Formats: sequence, structure tokens, C-alpha cells
Amino acid sequence: AQKVTQAQTEISVVEKEDVTLDCVYETRDTTYYLFWYKQPPSGELVFLIRRNSFDEQNEISGRYSWNFQKSTSSFNFTITASQVVDSAVYFCALSGEDDKIIFGKGTRLHILP
Amino acid sequence: DADVTQTPRNRITKTGKRIMLECSQTKGHDRMYWYRQDPGLGLRLIYYSFDVKDINKGEISDGYSVSRQAQAKFSLSLESAIPNQTALYFCATSAEGQVALSEQYFGPGTRLTVT
Repeated sequence: AQKVTQAQTEISVVEKEDVTLDCVYETRDTTYYLFWYKQPPSGELVFLIRRNSFDEQNEISGRYSWNFQKSTSSFNFTITASQVVDSAVYFCALSGEDDKIIFGKGTRLHILP
Repeated sequence: DADVTQTPRNRITKTGKRIMLECSQTKGHDRMYWYRQDPGLGLRLIYYSFDVKDINKGEISDGYSVSRQAQAKFSLSLESAIPNQTALYFCATSAEGQVALSEQYFGPGTRLTVT
């Protein structure tokens, strides 16, 4: 069975601090994909990134970066120099060979001014 | 205009009532999904449809039914609503092909309260 664990239920940091959101996954599939979604207070879900199981290169997009490590089955998300607008719930998700996406329970991030 | 729309956006209903949540998309995608979000539980898949003639149960389909009226429309029904179906419901779409290769596009959500 596939599983996504986001152990951090809620995190609060002061603006401009860096923060890392953890994601650990379980799958027996050889080919799989990992995702991060953002849900701001307005409620919509915003796609942030997709990474396939054969590409372990880290990715950076502005203040956002992702660290994919197959050895530890982790796909962590770091926000550098956090801003109040980063306050949201962040979901990690996994899609394997069954062609469905399984979401983690989410991490609620509070950026304090 | 939004690519994926959901109606209604908010609904309060009473236990035992039948209610339908509607989803429409203009992305031309074949695949559509209904998810439910509860605090602390993330998103859970209720039903999904890979084309008009294909309907599949997801993780938590009990108490729900769906109808794929057209490529662009996918409705979720609660035949007899109960309070533990109070949640935020999302519709999503994705293009044909392996789900993982196709980003899912989410609607704005429908907040349903069953009293």
C-alpha cells in the first residue's frame, strides 16, 4: 500500500526565517511521482511541483526548493526567507503505478510578521 | 473564467436530504475526480472517472454516488446526507495518460455542512 506521511501538523516561524516541511512516502512501485500542493487560506489547491522517481536532482524555484532522497524515501520542501504570504497548508502527494494520487494529511504553516 | 468550476460553493443541508454537487471543466480533460478534505486528514479520493463511460470508486465511496453526464461535467451526490459528511469537497481534472504525468487541476471547492 502507498502512504504519505507529513509528520509536522503545524509549524510557526517568524518572517524571513527558513522553514522545511517534511514528507516521507512509502511505495513498492518502481515508477512513481511525488507532488507538493499549496492551499492558501482562500481554500484553492495550487500545484507547486512534480518529481518522478528517476530524477533525484534537487529543484529550486525562487525561494522554494525541494530535496528528493530515495534512500530515505523523503521529498522535503524548503522555503527560504519566508514571507507572510507563504502561510498556507502544504500537501505532499504520491502517485504510483495504480494511477491514483494519495495525499498526505498536510502541514499548516504560519509565517508570523 | 476558471477552468474548473464547482457549484454550489457553500451549502448547508439537513440530515437525510439528498444533495448534488456539480463540477464543470473547460480544459477538455478526460479525467475527473472528486475528493473530500477534512481537517487533519488531507484529501481523500471519493470517485474518479477516466472517461464518460468509466466510473471508479475511490478510497471513501460509501454514502456517495456520481454521474458523468458529459466529458465536461461530473456530479457528486449524497443520497441521504449525514453530519459526518460535513467537509470541503474538491473536484479535479487531469489530461489523458498516466495520472502522475498529468497535473491535477482543482476546482475552488464546495463547503458542505450537514446539520
